[in-house]
Amino acid sequence: KQEVTQIPAALSVPEGENLVLNCSFTDSAIYNLQWFRQDPGKGLTSLLLIQSSQREQTSGRLNASLDKSSGRSTLYIAASQPGDSATYLCAVSSSNTGKLIFGQGTTLQVKP
Amino acid sequence: DAGVIQSPRHEVTEMGQEVTLRCKPISGHNSLFWYRQTMMRGLELLIYFNNNVPIDDSGMPEDRFSAKMPNASFSTLKIQPSEPRDSAVYFCASSLRAGGPADTQYFGPGTRLTVL
Repeated sequence: KQEVTQIPAALSVPEGENLVLNCSFTDSAIYNLQWFRQDPGKGLTSLLLIQSSQREQTSGRLNASLDKSSGRSTLYIAASQPGDSATYLCAVSSSNTGKLIFGQGTTLQVKP
Repeated sequence: DAGVIQSPRHEVTEMGQEVTLRCKPISGHNSLFWYRQTMMRGLELLIYFNNNVPIDDSGMPEDRFSAKMPNASFSTLKIQPSEPRDSAVYFCASSLRAGGPADTQYFGPGTRLTVL
């Protein structure tokens, strides 16, 4: 059974700092991995999707990497801003059904 | 496009009452997913549909929960009778198709359900 873990559960950094969020999964036979952002009281917004054949994806200040063999993904946020404050969720799809298994998320606070 | 639309946004009801949550997926999307989010269990998939057909309902907690998708633009999640432990935020998501390697899911704003 696939399990997804995100560490740390919460993170507080000063504005401008570069940071890394971690995601690990137990079954390396994944179809794709996605990173989502959730603002308080809101739904999830997709940030990046990495297909199983890919190693990384980039969007603006965000870079996500995938290492299937070790069961790990990282989300790198460069030059963090207060507007980046949110909960970041990692989700893994283990088949072509679209079923996503989510981690518990990392709540990020960027202080001005 | 308006995105995934859910109603109501908030629902407060008493134990034993029937609750119906509604979802309108993004036009043209063929797959629809219902999730539940709680502090204790995080985000869990309840059921998903492909081309209006339920594909996997293994996440539905018990017989009190049922979901339907009568057409491509509407789905309901019903809880009857509701219990306090059903209190959670329920999300609906849609994607162009289920399981395309590059197909992401688009989430609605959620319905916050409180059962007293």
